[in-house]
Amino acid sequence: QKEVEQDPGPLSVPEGAIVSLNCTYSNSAFQYFMWYRQYSRKGPELLMYTYSSGNKEDGRFTAQVDKSSKYISLFIRDSQPSDSATYLCAMSILTSYGKLTFGQGTILTVHP
Amino acid sequence: GAVVSQHPSRVICKSGTSVKIECRSLDFQATTMFWYRQFPKQSLMLMATSNEGSKATYEQGVEKDKFLINHASLTLSTLTVTSAHPEDSSFYICSARTRRTSAPKAETQYFGPGTRLLVL
Repeated sequence: QKEVEQDPGPLSVPEGAIVSLNCTYSNSAFQYFMWYRQYSRKGPELLMYTYSSGNKEDGRFTAQVDKSSKYISLFIRDSQPSDSATYLCAMSILTSYGKLTFGQGTILTVHP
Repeated sequence: GAVVSQHPSRVICKSGTSVKIECRSLDFQATTMFWYRQFPKQSLMLMATSNEGSKATYEQGVEKDKFLINHASLTLSTLTVTSAHPEDSSFYICSARTRRTSAPKAETQYFGPGTRLLVL
């Protein structure tokens, strides 16, 4: 069993839709949770980071963490074609010196 | 802020040659830099962790003598692929972690744009 599981998709939605991306994890030591967006042939770009259970909102993006269920989500409201990319969840433990464990990535396409 | 650059962005080389890839944190000092490789439509695979002034720590299965990492300063790390072969062709991405001590930013990484290596 992988430490972090993410549905690879692909996910295709119409413009304006609400997108839900999810990851589950098995290691309860994970303390920090991040979402990255990666466009084709580019490096990942940090979208959201959090270290506590609950919701964190930034513009059209909301990150949700449920440590009791070992489940994190990223919601994208009013999705745009420019949101089409691969979304990677990542997490780390307190003493990992920054080492991240990534999910497999979800390929998202938002069509006009 | 938190910009990481990589050079070159793309390189094509002949089998048997060595290739050096640079990773720089442009506007912050990085306590740690990480090197990943990524195959098409797959997630990032951590190759090694590099701390300034010390030897890199390699992940299991990564050949130390093939992938040489040097972290000479708080803003520069290099990855040298020695005696490259076609199976080394991949997308190599570096990331840098800031010196900020306040969580959670201390645990976040900022990624470079990647270097696409093609070995013929």
